[in-house]
Amino acid sequence: SYELTQPPSVSVSPGQTARITCSGDALPKQYAYWYQQKPGQAPVLVIYKDSERPSGIPERFSGSSSGTTVTLTISGVQAEDEADYYCQSADSSGTSYVVFGGGTKLTVL
Amino acid sequence: QVQLVQSGAEVKKPGASVKVSCKASGYTFTSYGISWVRQAPGQGLEWMGWISAYNGNTNYAQKLQGRVTMTTDTSTSTAYMELRSLRSDDTAVYYCARDRKVVAGTGDPYYFDYWGQGTLVTVSS
Repeated sequence: SYELTQPPSVSVSPGQTARITCSGDALPKQYAYWYQQKPGQAPVLVIYKDSERPSGIPERFSGSSSGTTVTLTISGVQAEDEADYYCQSADSSGTSYVVFGGGTKLTVL
Repeated sequence: QVQLVQSGAEVKKPGASVKVSCKASGYTFTSYGISWVRQAPGQGLEWMGWISAYNGNTNYAQKLQGRVTMTTDTSTSTAYMELRSLRSDDTAVYYCARDRKVVAGTGDPYYFDYWGQGTLVTVSS
């Protein structure tokens, strides 16, 4: 079955830049999406179609894609950005199903 | 404003069924799909499947085929997810989410721009 691979954890100090990667063989053909989830809350969409930002999401959140890897970048990290981040995409076969990465815990030191 | 309000927590015995509801408001229900996503305690997100609120087409995760049924009631803008033959590893928070994929067979991608608050389903003897 298709998998998306994320690092389990990333740590940065406030004001620094955090980069969270997500790798998958189908990513050159399928868009990626990123969700932020804080403890006890539902996920929130922060990036769609690799690099688009929904309204209401701060400009410090950005996304990029290169080959089989997509990256969520948070510039000028703030304490409130501490959360779990999940990438999501779809397989490229005819069945078309959704897959999530395992999630990355972002810790703001 | 878009809202998805889910039904309350459930406790079920192994082998039983559970049906979770998700009432949508603030948008045209039939112009979007609904996906269901679950999260076991301390674990990541798992997609369960999708239903078109436009025509009722469904696409279920292979792992749950035969145990899950998703339906909608367009008269009340409500989506439902029923899971049967419950096991202890079905214990999770279940989320509904508005899906930008409206109908099957098109190039529309699956992704989720609004989420319900989650429903905890506990399976225990």
